Amino acid sequence: DAKTTQPTSMDCAEGRAANLPCNHSTISGNEYVYWYRQIHSQGPQYIIHGLKNNETNEMASLIITEDRKSSTLILPHATLRDTAVYYCIVRYNFNKFYFGSGTKLNVKP
Amino acid sequence: DTGVSQDPRHKITKRGQNVTFRCDPISEHNRLYWYRQTLGQGPEFLTYFQNEAQLEKSRLLSDRFSAERPKGSFSTLEIQRTEQGDSAMYLCASSQVRVTNTGELFFGEGSRLTVL
Repeated sequence: DAKTTQPTSMDCAEGRAANLPCNHSTISGNEYVYWYRQIHSQGPQYIIHGLKNNETNEMASLIITEDRKSSTLILPHATLRDTAVYYCIVRYNFNKFYFGSGTKLNVKP
Repeated sequence: DTGVSQDPRHKITKRGQNVTFRCDPISEHNRLYWYRQTLGQGPEFLTYFQNEAQLEKSRLLSDRFSAERPKGSFSTLEIQRTEQGDSAMYLCASSQVRVTNTGELFFGEGSRLTVL
């Protein structure tokens, strides 16, 4: 599975958009990009995934560059409850996910 | 609650003792995964099952670790002769793999092990 690179931490003001970047320069054509988040002391929670096209759901938007070597998770209006560690994962087939260290997002009032 | 449940949520044990964790996946899910997470790190893959068959094991899963999923429903993870380095959160996840989806994982709340 391709490796991912994420910033260790980011800050965001409450009510503003949070843009979390992820580099996955070794991604191959059939590997999906997944995002999960983990709020302190809880299990990881699925957010969104995509292959080539941009995706949006009720939680977030996922923007994947045309060359697929990077992506950005967008939380349009961050709230204090969005404070968590966000994991970007590149996954091939259905077997397993590899988590990196993620980005600690601090949403501040 | 129809999510993934894990038991116990917390376990404190002395070095050398055996511990067992149980995971009940979402009922229709055919895949079950175990991950380990230490402080400040992301979850690390340990093993996964397709129904009752254990299909892959990480090299992190030493011979002191054994996982089972009899009858393809709940799963147990046993650690024998625990060491202080085994202290971690043990996470269970399940998924339903179909042609029409990409099998995202649904995680339980985890079982936190502290080895004294």
